[in-house]
Amino acid sequence: TQLLEQSPQFLSIQEGENLTVYCNSSSVFSSLQWYRQEPGEGPVLLVTVVTGGEVKKLKRLTFQFGDARKDSSLHITAAQPGDTGLYLCAGENQAGTALIFGKGTTLSVSS
Amino acid sequence: KAGVTQTPRYLIKTRGQQVTLSCSPISGHRSVSWYQQTPGQGLQFLFEYFSETQRNKGNFPGRFSGRQFSNSRSEMNVSTLELGDSALYLCASSLGTVLSAEQFFGPGTRLTVL
Repeated sequence: TQLLEQSPQFLSIQEGENLTVYCNSSSVFSSLQWYRQEPGEGPVLLVTVVTGGEVKKLKRLTFQFGDARKDSSLHITAAQPGDTGLYLCAGENQAGTALIFGKGTTLSVSS
Repeated sequence: KAGVTQTPRYLIKTRGQQVTLSCSPISGHRSVSWYQQTPGQGLQFLFEYFSETQRNKGNFPGRFSGRQFSNSRSEMNVSTLELGDSALYLCASSLGTVLSAEQFFGPGTRLTVL
C-alpha cells in the first residue's frame, strides 16, 4: 500500500522558533504537494515539488524534495502565529487516479 | 472570484438515515472531487467528477455516491449512515482533472452521526 507518513504528528512552538516537518514514503512519487489547512477551512495548496533535489522557497517556508523522490520536508524560519494550522503532503497514487494525503502535522505557534 | 461553497456547513444525523451534501465549484471549473477527513484516517479520496461523468472512485462502500450537474455543481449522498461516517466532507474544484490542475477546496461540511 502506498503511504505518505508525516512527522511529527503535533508540534507546539513559540513565535520566532524554526521548525521542520517531514513527509516520507517507501514509494517514488512523480511530484509532491504541500497544503496548509486552518481550522474551519479546507486545505490550501502551498507548493508543488516535481524534481528530485528541488528546493522551493515561499517567504519563510522552504520546501525540499528528496533526491530519490520518496520524501519531502518543509522548513519554517522564525515561525509566526499565522503559521498555525495542519500541514499536509500529498502525491499521486500509483494508479494515477487520485491524490493520496499524509495524515498531517498540526502546528501551533504561540506568541 | 467566489471560492468553492459547500452546504450545509454542519449536519447532525442518526444512524440509518441518509444525507445529501452539496458543492458549488469555482465558476468555470469542470472537475469536482470529494474527500472525507477524519482524525484517524486523515484525508481520503471519495470520487472525482468531470463534465458530469465520474472519472475515479476511492475505496469506499457503495453507500457513498455522487453526481455532477451540467452547471458543474455536485452532490454526494451517503445512505444508511453509520457512526463511522462522522467526518468533515470536503469538496475541491479544479479547471482540469484533479491530477492536472490545482485543486481549490471548500470549507467542508461537518457531519455528525449519532
